[in-house]
Amino acid sequence: DAMVIQNPRYQVTQFGKPVTLSCSQTLNHNVMYWYQQKSSQAPKLLFHYYDKDFNNEADTPDNFQSRRPNTSFCFLDIRSPGLGDAAMYLCATSRDGGYEQYFGPGTRLTVT
Amino acid sequence: AQSVTQPDIHITVSEGASLELRCNYSYGATPYLFWYVQSPGQGLQLLLKYFSGDTLVQGIKGFEAEFKRSQSSFNLRKPSVHWSDAAEYFCAVGSPNTGNQFYFGTGTSLTVIP
Repeated sequence: DAMVIQNPRYQVTQFGKPVTLSCSQTLNHNVMYWYQQKSSQAPKLLFHYYDKDFNNEADTPDNFQSRRPNTSFCFLDIRSPGLGDAAMYLCATSRDGGYEQYFGPGTRLTVT
Repeated sequence: AQSVTQPDIHITVSEGASLELRCNYSYGATPYLFWYVQSPGQGLQLLLKYFSGDTLVQGIKGFEAEFKRSQSSFNLRKPSVHWSDAAEYFCAVGSPNTGNQFYFGTGTSLTVIP
C-alpha cells in the first residue's frame, strides 16, 4: 500500500543535542510537509517542499531545518533542541498544493 | 484572511447516538474542504473531502459531511456513533489557487460514553 512512513516513532534527545527525524513516502507526491503538534492542539506547519522548492513558515524558528534529497525522502533537523521542542512531529504529503494531505504516524520527540 | 473555526472544543455523546461536528470557514473562493480524525498518539487520517459537485459527501467509517455555501459550513455527521470513534477531529480548508495554502481548525475532541 502507498503510504507515508516516519522513523523513528519515538525519539529521546538531550537538551541541545542535534536530532534528525525522517519521513519517506511511496505516493510519489510533489509536496511534503512537516508539522509540529503539541498536546490538544492542531498541527502547526513548520515548512514544506514543493518538489525541490523549500517554503519556510514565517514563524518557524531557525533551529528547525529540513532537507529533501529526492522525491521520496524528507528530513527534519533540529539543531539545538530545547525543552519547548518536545512534541509530536508529523510528516504529510500531497500531490499538489491545497489538495488533501496524507499523514505519517508521527514521531514523538522527548527532550531531556 | 482564510480561517477555519470549529466552535466545539469537546463533545460527549452516548454510543449509538447521532453526531454532528461543526466547521465554519472563511475563504474568498470556493475552498477544498476536508475532515481528518486523529486517535491518540497517531497521525491524521483523512475521513472525507469536498472539491465540487454534490454537496453531501460520504467518507470512511460511516461519516458524511455537507457543504453549505450560504452558511460557509462543512459539518461532519454520523448517524450512530461507536466507541471506537472517540478521537480528535480536525476540519481543514485548502485551495490550489492560493499556492499550497492549507488551514486546520483547532479540533474537536469526541468522547463516547457507553
